[in-house]
Amino acid sequence: ILNVEQSPQSLHVQEGDSTNFTCSFPSSNFYALHWYRWETAKSPEALFVMTLNGDEKKKGRISATLNTKEGYSYLYIKGSQPEDSATYLCAFTNTGNQFYFGTGTSLTVIP
Amino acid sequence: GAVVSQHPSRVICKSGTSVKIECRSLDFQATTMFWYRQFPKKSLMLMATSNEGSKATYEQGVEKDKFLINHASLTLSTLTVTSAHPEDSSFYICSARTSGRAGTQYFGPGTRLLVL
Repeated sequence: ILNVEQSPQSLHVQEGDSTNFTCSFPSSNFYALHWYRWETAKSPEALFVMTLNGDEKKKGRISATLNTKEGYSYLYIKGSQPEDSATYLCAFTNTGNQFYFGTGTSLTVIP
Repeated sequence: GAVVSQHPSRVICKSGTSVKIECRSLDFQATTMFWYRQFPKKSLMLMATSNEGSKATYEQGVEKDKFLINHASLTLSTLTVTSAHPEDSSFYICSARTSGRAGTQYFGPGTRLLVL
């Protein structure tokens, strides 16, 4: 069984605060790391995919970094807004092209 | 962007009947599609990987005779829940993957199945 772990499991922040969470994955057989945003009653939306160690991606106030050698990725949200409230999923892809999802970080932004 | 549709969005059926759920990639071809199930308060559980033109690969613990998957074309995969029981009630989501190393999964809107 391949473990992809996300922490924290849930998070409450005040509107305007910046926050970040972690995705840990096996450092061997790495192929790609994906981040998804999953709002209640909707399907997951792809945010980023990163393939190289040191990759950084940014989309508006959300950014992500990747460290394949130590097996982690951070997702950052700057100036959180209520509409950022969602579950953020990461997924690790190995060289066998298999997807493994983490259990997600549930973010609630309090107005 | 890539769009994946899923039909029906919601279905209620009697115990013992079979239900078919369709997953379509609308603006791209997908050799690989995935079927997930979401349990209450839990993340996505991968049920099977559907490969166009070949048999699906099922995850451990998923009954392939109960959850029949067919991927007949590059834009369509179907999941049939055979002889459904109340414990099969769940939220089923499909996804289709774009090609290449950075290929990502695009998810359908999901199907809520309720078996009475």
